[in-house]
Amino acid sequence: GIQVEQSPPDLILQEGANSTLRCNFSDSVNNLQWFHQNPWGQLINLFYIPSGTKQNGRLSATTVATERYSLLYISSSQTTDSGVYFCAVGTGANNLFFGTGTRLTVIP
Amino acid sequence: EAGVAQSPRYKIIEKRQSVAFWCNPISGHATLYWYQQILGQGPKLLIQFQNNGVVDDSQLPKDRFSAERLKGVDSTLKIQPAKLEDSAVYLCASSLWTGGKTKAFFGQGTRLTVV
Repeated sequence: GIQVEQSPPDLILQEGANSTLRCNFSDSVNNLQWFHQNPWGQLINLFYIPSGTKQNGRLSATTVATERYSLLYISSSQTTDSGVYFCAVGTGANNLFFGTGTRLTVIP
Repeated sequence: EAGVAQSPRYKIIEKRQSVAFWCNPISGHATLYWYQQILGQGPKLLIQFQNNGVVDDSQLPKDRFSAERLKGVDSTLKIQPAKLEDSAVYLCASSLWTGGKTKAFFGQGTRLTVV
């Protein structure tokens, strides 16, 4: 099956700093989504982005499908951004497979 | 719009007992997923339904796990008999497949502890 690897596995930031999270995948995909899992375990959908670039407030994402990677940018980080960020990809029939995650801790 | 509903939120059972989880997806969402998330890991897809048909159940341990989606709406996931390694959070998600845009939305999950 498809392999989805995320880096870095852990990230600690000072409040206000910027960060870039990376997702590499091993096969062509027709579906790519970024999720934030908050400390209470709820998964929140951030972006549906199988290709191109999107922005939503302080977050933006870029997927380069031909090179099989996606990036999530977080600017001016806040303590509420803490949690685990997951990339999930699909290869057809609306499936969705998750990566290993990046655990982000934002300290005040 | 109401989100994905799951129940119960927590469940503690002894090994070899059976347990069932329930999921009500967002209205109109044809695709429903069940995931297992072990502590410290990413969600692992167990089974995917499109309406009331199974699309993918390749990672479902069929000797002990079963799932159904009657009438293409609500779904139940059952474990019988449970093992210690089944301790995890079971997540349900749904998505609306329109022109290929398949944004998925998750419920709060059911945390299962097998003792």
